[in-house]
Amino acid sequence: NAGVTQTPKFRILKIGQSMTLQCTQDMNHNYMYWYRQDPGMGLKLIYYSVGAGITDKGEVPNGYNVSRSTTEDFPLRLELAAPSQTSVYFCASSPRLAVGPDTQYFGPGTRLTVL
Amino acid sequence: QKEVEQDPGPLSVPEGAIVSLNCTYSNSAFQYFMWYRQYSRKGPELLMYTYSSGNKEDGRFTAQVDKSSKYISLFIRDSQPSDSATYLCATRGTSYGKLTFGQGTILTVHP
Repeated sequence: NAGVTQTPKFRILKIGQSMTLQCTQDMNHNYMYWYRQDPGMGLKLIYYSVGAGITDKGEVPNGYNVSRSTTEDFPLRLELAAPSQTSVYFCASSPRLAVGPDTQYFGPGTRLTVL
Repeated sequence: QKEVEQDPGPLSVPEGAIVSLNCTYSNSAFQYFMWYRQYSRKGPELLMYTYSSGNKEDGRFTAQVDKSSKYISLFIRDSQPSDSATYLCATRGTSYGKLTFGQGTILTVHP
């Protein structure tokens, strides 16, 4: 199993450009998440999904959009990139368990710089 | 007030030291408490998990939760250079999956 994969690893965008961050998991997990991580700020939830066709906003959704057409894929769209979106973006997935830990499995991250 | 507060450090200790990492939280509805470890330029991975109050031990690691004071701790005994990483506490209430993370503490264990 590859786990959670993210592409690209790095990207530099100009202000106003758009891009899609790709995320794929091969563990058949129902739940998927997008976080951003800024230095000294921990992880902030952008959007999450509890299954194909169902998405919801997290703590910091402004400037982003998501879709979930399959169980495996959960792309994050940035429209009109701004310098404030410079960050490291992590995708994660988790199984829906009746009991047990919240084991979210994270991808390796995408480092995005907006200039 | 942030829902979960964590001292970002950085914390530097010699090999073999006992390390104490701490978080406080404000929402009394939080019931599940986790510690994630994140190596440099990698994604976080779950290290320890505790439900409600009490202690949980796993090898050199002990997680402690005191719900009366809303305090979460992670202790590392006999710390090793391989423990050098960022440690993130995380909590949630009854809503599965939606975790609230602390800011993360950067730990360096030097030989």
